[in-house]
Amino acid sequence: AAGVIQSPRHLIKEKRETATLKCYPIPRHDTVYWYQQGPGQDPQFLISFYEKMQSDKGSIPDRFSAQQFSDYHSELNMSSLELGDSALYFCASSLGQDVLDEQYFGPGTRLTVT
Amino acid sequence: TQLLEQSPQFLSIQEGENLTVYCNSSSVFSSLQWYRQEPGEGPVLLVTVVTGGEVKKLKRLTFQFGDARKDSSLHITAAQPGDTGLYLCRGGGGSYIPTFGRGTSLIVHP
Repeated sequence: AAGVIQSPRHLIKEKRETATLKCYPIPRHDTVYWYQQGPGQDPQFLISFYEKMQSDKGSIPDRFSAQQFSDYHSELNMSSLELGDSALYFCASSLGQDVLDEQYFGPGTRLTVT
Repeated sequence: TQLLEQSPQFLSIQEGENLTVYCNSSSVFSSLQWYRQEPGEGPVLLVTVVTGGEVKKLKRLTFQFGDARKDSSLHITAAQPGDTGLYLCRGGGGSYIPTFGRGTSLIVHP
């Protein structure tokens, strides 16, 4: 079965640079979530989109922005990168109308800021 | 935001032992998911429970949803090294903000 695709899988950037992470949800899934996971920590919710509209916002820094496109893929844009932004970034997708509210995660993008 | 608390935070056991992980909240959830995450990989959905008192079994893993739908437990029988990972619970449907527990890091030694 098709899974959530994230690209790139690894990204190395320098401080103050920008980065764009991409997420392609499972076909027919209309909801996308972004999470940040630091070493030894649980995933922290950043932001989510349902039907191309932002549905909720978590602990996303103002330097970050995201959007969901007409084909339901999503991009997380990160500017003025800081060393503390180094983390695993996960995207998850779900079927918004599913009462079970199950999220399926991608393999993640490992961002390293030097 | 609905807070989910997991316990224990860390667990290190020998192969063949049994263990139980708990997920508790003061809020009611429409559903609750358990995930397992291995280092460097995304969380993998193990099970979803939706009915108060529901028990689901997945091989050696038994999941139970509390009667009031505020808590859940995961019991592993005869743990194997392959069970090693971070176990996360997530409350669904009760809030627009996805809520994960802090996770239980399990290490099963051969």
